[in-house]
Amino acid sequence: NAGVTQTPKFRVLKTGQSMTLLCAQDMNHEYMYWYRQDPGMGLRLIHYSVGEGTTAKGEVPDGYNVSRLKKQNFLLGLESAAPSQTSVYFCATRTPEDTEAFFGQGTRLTVV
Amino acid sequence: GENVEQHPSTLSVQEGDSAVIKCTYSDSASNYFPWYKQELGKRPQLIIDIRSNVGEKKDQRIAVTLNKTAKHFSLHITETQPEDSAVYFCAASKGSNYQLIWGAGTKLIIKP
Repeated sequence: NAGVTQTPKFRVLKTGQSMTLLCAQDMNHEYMYWYRQDPGMGLRLIHYSVGEGTTAKGEVPDGYNVSRLKKQNFLLGLESAAPSQTSVYFCATRTPEDTEAFFGQGTRLTVV
Repeated sequence: GENVEQHPSTLSVQEGDSAVIKCTYSDSASNYFPWYKQELGKRPQLIIDIRSNVGEKKDQRIAVTLNKTAKHFSLHITETQPEDSAVYFCAASKGSNYQLIWGAGTKLIIKP
């Protein structure tokens, strides 16, 4: 089992470009989350999903969109990248029964 | 909503000494409290967790204590080793909430 896999691992974007980050899980977990982590700061929730076809806004959703068309995949989109979106992005999955969250390996995104 | 505060933000201890990191939470309905360790450049990984029906849990050199009355929980690491150097995050959740609410993190430095 691969667990939680993020694609890509690194990316450099120019301001105004768009991109999609993919989170794929083979753990059959209902909940999926996208976080961003900036230096010296904790994990800030961007969007999350509690099941296939559902999404909800987190703490810092502006500038991002998400989709969960299949249970195993959670996509994070940046329509028009800004330097403020330079960050490390983590995807995580979890079951509804208040258990451990499993993280992907992270995507380091730089917007120049 | 739930709020989790974590202290200190940085902790420096001599190798072999003990380290204690504390978190307080605001929602008395929270019932699951995990601790995650994030090594430099890696993903957060669960090291220990505790549920609200238990006051203390140990796993070798690490332990977590929970005081429901005071709404705080603590991570204790004994006989610290260089490989304990990392950022540690606490979190809290409850059954009716899809989210893990995260503390801001503590950078633990083990001095040789």
